[in-house]
Amino acid sequence: DTEVTQTPKHLVMGMTNKKSLKCEQHMGHRAMYWYKQKAKKPPELMFVYSYEKLSINESVPSRFSPECPNSSLLNLHLHALQPEDSALYLCASSPGDGTDTQYFGPGTRLTVL
Amino acid sequence: GNSVTQMEGPVTLSEEAFLTINCTYTATGYPSLFWYVQYPGEGLQLLLKATKADDKGSNKGFEATYRKETTSFHLEKGSVQVSDSAVYFCALKFTGGGNKLTFGTGTQLKVEL
Repeated sequence: DTEVTQTPKHLVMGMTNKKSLKCEQHMGHRAMYWYKQKAKKPPELMFVYSYEKLSINESVPSRFSPECPNSSLLNLHLHALQPEDSALYLCASSPGDGTDTQYFGPGTRLTVL
Repeated sequence: GNSVTQMEGPVTLSEEAFLTINCTYTATGYPSLFWYVQYPGEGLQLLLKATKADDKGSNKGFEATYRKETTSFHLEKGSVQVSDSAVYFCALKFTGGGNKLTFGTGTQLKVEL
């Protein structure tokens, strides 16, 4: 099973709202990632968690706040977003054992009004 | 730095035609190489990978060979189907390199009847 699940599938929010994106994997992977993908572009890395600790933050604005409650779950908390933050947000996971093939979820389509 | 260059799209083919999508890379050392596919409205799916020179990755009729001498990882399929219409991303990663994937810009493939 190489499945990464993400909820919700679609999200519309206002600039003053607070919302969260959720990602889950049950493959025993120890590394999890958040990417942002704009239309017709490749994914851009935002955050990496390795063994439940934040290991990479690609200078992401503080209105995006990641959280890794346990090795299977990854959240992305959203607050005071801007319309330009509208995008497809992808979660991925990898074993974390050096082989590091990343497996992606289906994404959450976010629209900020 | 590391980079991946893919051929510009869209590539439009008739069903049963032969497919080649070119991918070349620039990297210091010997990265792992990947092809991901993204169907409309979905996340990325790992299509195939190769971790060392002369390795051939294959899946669902697609193949790519890791060519160190030409720093290339071209994607090929002998007979495409309409269902292969998608965006294809070439990517590289160094083992232990912060788990970061470097993506190409993506190549859109359209297969017509």
